[in-house]
Amino acid sequence: AQSVAQPEDQVNVAEGNPLTVKCTYSVSGNPYLFWYVQYPNRGLQFLLKYITGDNLVKGSYGFEAEFNKSQTSFHLKKPSALVSDSALYFCAVRDIEYDYKLSFGAGTTVTVRA
Amino acid sequence: DTGVSQDPRHKITKRGQNVTFRCDPISEHNRLYWYRQTLGQGPEFLTYFQNEAQLEKSRLLSDRFSAERPKGSFSTLEIQRTEQGDSAMYLCASSDLSLNYGYTFGSGTRLTVV
Repeated sequence: AQSVAQPEDQVNVAEGNPLTVKCTYSVSGNPYLFWYVQYPNRGLQFLLKYITGDNLVKGSYGFEAEFNKSQTSFHLKKPSALVSDSALYFCAVRDIEYDYKLSFGAGTTVTVRA
Repeated sequence: DTGVSQDPRHKITKRGQNVTFRCDPISEHNRLYWYRQTLGQGPEFLTYFQNEAQLEKSRLLSDRFSAERPKGSFSTLEIQRTEQGDSAMYLCASSDLSLNYGYTFGSGTRLTVV
């Protein structure tokens, strides 16, 4: 079965500093990987995806993610964090066998202090 | 508004009562999903429709849960004889067949069983 792990429950950074949210995956075959963001009492919003191609993927709101096959990682990054980036971030992987299904990590709470 | 709509946003019910939630997906999307999210966890898959056909139900869905998508458009999720353990955020999402852009989520229905 496919799965993703987000090893950090919380990430705290100062505004203007780089932000990294970690994700590792376990999947047989080529992974389809996604990042979503969730603000309080809202649904999840799509940030970016990796399916194939360049290992560095650019997404919404200045976020990017680096796919690393040898380390089975898909870390989310932002060069300069904003207070408004404070939210809950989820990594997800598409199931290989049941290709309609996404499996989500437990989430990482990001707090950006002014 | 071309997003995914869910109604109601919040529902408080007494234990033992029945509740029904509605989801209106993006009209062009064939696939519709229900997920459940509890505090501190990522979304967990409940069920999936392709057009009007319900193609998978998670083992998380007890017999008290039923979902329909009668005309391949909106969907309803009903919980009978609610229990306190049913308290969660219920998320609806839709996608096209490729899933290349992941899911588009609604804002969710937060259920509180008292």
